[in-house]
Formats: sequence, structure tokens, C-alpha cells
Amino acid sequence: EIVLTQSPGTLSSSPGARVTLSCRASDVVPSTYVAWYQQKPGQSPTLLIYGVSTRATGIPDRFSGSGSGTDFTLTISRLEPEDFALYYCQQYGNSPVTFGQGTIVEIK
Amino acid sequence: QVTLVQSGAEVKKPGSSVKVSCKASGGTFSNYGFNWVRQAPGQGPEWIGGIVSLFGTTNYAEKFQGRVTISADESTTTVYMELSSLRSEDTAVYYCARPLVRGVTRYAMGVWGQGTTVIVSS
Repeated sequence: EIVLTQSPGTLSSSPGARVTLSCRASDVVPSTYVAWYQQKPGQSPTLLIYGVSTRATGIPDRFSGSGSGTDFTLTISRLEPEDFALYYCQQYGNSPVTFGQGTIVEIK
Repeated sequence: QVTLVQSGAEVKKPGSSVKVSCKASGGTFSNYGFNWVRQAPGQGPEWIGGIVSLFGTTNYAEKFQGRVTISADESTTTVYMELSSLRSEDTAVYYCARPLVRGVTRYAMGVWGQGTTVIVSS
């Protein structure tokens, strides 16, 4: 199975800042089958990005995704207070579907 | 707009089984697949398996083969996940989740249930 490694584990930043989260796969992810989710304490994950770079319905354009092969990135262009949360990447190009271990974005 | 409502929290003894339900409201039930994903405390999500009732197909992660059964009841638009031979490591929040596109389970998951906490403890 494809193992996804996210970095950093924790990212401390300030509102208004631009942040970049990394997701590295142990093998090439077929097609563009990478997604990103946001999760807040006590809540279910929310889909942000799928197909590497397509924003899900209702997701603000400050969220963007990029990458190919084994290296993928989620960028938040200007952090809003509600963006401080946990973020997971997922690959669905190979079976089984796998998720990364997450990056916490916390207020500095 | 589809919503997924899961059954309530469970406390189980090691070696027993648990069956979690997920009722879908809104949208077309049988055209879509449904996945079960779990999240142990402090861990990332882990895919357990999925079902596409339109095709009558299920697929499971190798780790759970032989221990998990996923089923669907179209008459009540409810999906079930039963996990047997429970051990403490199965303590987690279990989610049902529907992929964005029809007819598959292996895709980005656009709709999630609220989660069901399962605690396995003697």
C-alpha cells in the first residue's frame, strides 16, 4: 500500500500568513488521485481538495493544491482564524485508499 | 443534499462484535458507494472497506479481511459495518463516508457521517 508522510507535524503560524503543507507518497500516485481534508476537534473530516487541485464545493479560493507523482502540497494563501485545524492528505489512486498522519496548523 | 446519520456510541468487551449503522437521507442511495473509515485517538484516518449496493460489491482492506462485514439495506437507505473479534486496538471513532462520484468506493469522500465512538474494554 502507498504510505503518505505529511510534514511538518505541527505548523505554527499567524492569521494572514501563507502556509504550505506537504504530503509525500511512498510510491507514485496514479492519475491525480490525491485529496486534502480539514478536521476540527470533535468533528468529521471535511473535503477541501480532490484531484490534486480541484476545490470541493463551497471551499474558499485561499485553499489550493498542487503536485504530481509522489509530492503534493496544500497551500493556504492567507490564514483565517477558522483555518487553524488538522489537515490530512489522502490518495485514492491505488487500493487500499490511504491517509497521511496529519499536520496541525496552530496559532503562533 | 445528502446527510449521513450514524448510530450511537458503543462499549464492547474484547472478543465481541459491534455493528454500526449509517442512514443516508437525500440523494440517490444505490447509485453511490459508501466507505467505512476509522480514526483511533491521535491517529490519521484508516480505510476499512466499502460497498456499492448497485453492483452488490464490497471491498475490504486486507487488514480487516475476515473480521469485517459491510452491508446495505436499500429499503431503509442504511449501510452497516460489523466488526468482530474486537480488541482494544479497535477503539476508535468509526465514520461512514460517501465518495464524490457514483458507482465507486475508491475516491475522495465528500460526505461524512458524524462518527460513532466504539470503545473496546474489559
